[in-house]
Amino acid sequence: GQQLNQSPQSMFIQEGEDVSMNCTSSSIFNTWLWYKQDPGEGPVLLIALYKAGELTSNGRLTAQFGITRKDSFLNISASIPSDVGIYFCAGQAGSSNTGKLIFGQGTTLQVKP
Amino acid sequence: EPEVTQTPSHQVTQMGQEVILRCVPISNHLYFYWYRQILGQKVEFLVSFYNNEISEKSEIFDDQFSVERPDGSNFTLKIRSTKLEDSAMYFCASGAWTEAFFGQGTRLTVV
Repeated sequence: GQQLNQSPQSMFIQEGEDVSMNCTSSSIFNTWLWYKQDPGEGPVLLIALYKAGELTSNGRLTAQFGITRKDSFLNISASIPSDVGIYFCAGQAGSSNTGKLIFGQGTTLQVKP
Repeated sequence: EPEVTQTPSHQVTQMGQEVILRCVPISNHLYFYWYRQILGQKVEFLVSFYNNEISEKSEIFDDQFSVERPDGSNFTLKIRSTKLEDSAMYFCASGAWTEAFFGQGTRLTVV
């Protein structure tokens, strides 16, 4: 089945540093979404991308939809302690018209004050 | 801000028992989903629901699972005979088919 490979698996950074994580797939995706999940909570939508090449920002977060439609990255600039959590990429495959999302394995981010 | 709400937040049940997880999606959304997340793992798709019928289901969503939208506001997931491996966080989501907004989840523990 379709899979998303998300990397890195975890990151431990100093407050103020920039962070980058990415997702790749062997198949085409129509939509890329980035979510953040805090412990015991549901995923919260951060950024949605709908077109190949699209670059979208949400505050200190920036995400891009890869031109090949097979990858996406998320950057967080000037990290702060509340950025701690698990970040998931999710995509809607090109062959799907039901809204089904496929999730990456997640990137666990820890920020040292 | 509108949100997806789920009840209960935590359900403990004995193996073989039936459970019903409840969700109130965001009111103007047309697409509804259930996902699950086993502890420490990624979020997995279970089922999508549109126009009062299932539009897609995963291999996980076998005959033990069913979904229902009994009225204009609630969306439920029923597991008929729970197994130990059904223990997980279950998330309801709603939205347009291009994105989904998730509830806080129900932690199901099967003992």
